[in-house]
Amino acid sequence: GAGVSQTPSNKVTEKGKYVELRCDPISGHTALYWYRQSLGQGPEFLIYFQGTGAADDSGLPNDRFFAVRPEGSVSTLKIQRTERGDSAVYLCASSLYRAGHTGELFFGEGSRLTVL
Amino acid sequence: QKEVEQNSGPLSVPEGAIASLNCTYSDRGSQSFFWYRQYSGKSPELIMSIYSNGDKEDGRFTAQLNKASQYVSLLIRDSQPSDSATYLCAVNVNTGRRALTFGSGTRLQVQP
Repeated sequence: GAGVSQTPSNKVTEKGKYVELRCDPISGHTALYWYRQSLGQGPEFLIYFQGTGAADDSGLPNDRFFAVRPEGSVSTLKIQRTERGDSAVYLCASSLYRAGHTGELFFGEGSRLTVL
Repeated sequence: QKEVEQNSGPLSVPEGAIASLNCTYSDRGSQSFFWYRQYSGKSPELIMSIYSNGDKEDGRFTAQLNKASQYVSLLIRDSQPSDSATYLCAVNVNTGRRALTFGSGTRLQVQP
């Protein structure tokens, strides 16, 4: 597609439920990133994929959070046993791989998660 | 100390003036620097990237990088009300990490 696509755009769930958020990156972009943004804050890094593998998952806050990218394109962020503190906008970004430099990230419109 | 620091603002400038947005970062080894614009309720949009010391101009925007002072700035000339947004500075604070670290953003208000 022309841009990064994220679904759903809004998700309301109850505390303790399981949630999946999907990201479809720009075609040809091998690098994919998940960020989380709370009100008044900048995006907070969660996980980075280069191809199918998670090259850096150091930003995942705890083991309730997990992400996959099985075919090197679409990625799914999975959150188990959701807590109210997980409420935020989850942003996905993709970029071309550039040797020696972090590539320019292009963001999707985000998935707003509200945990009641 | 935060890895990427920005004044939260709001920075208020009159229409037609120059807006100057500043950012400092902690990792002296950082190599890639970006400015993003984020309108309320929208996702960040890339404005500028800069990798070398000095100035880089693109239309009304100029990014300035000073690695010795660990300082990045964004100048917006002839500011327009449509420039009113939050401006996010992003840096790869660890050369071994591909992901960017973002500041908390500076809110810019351009008064008509």
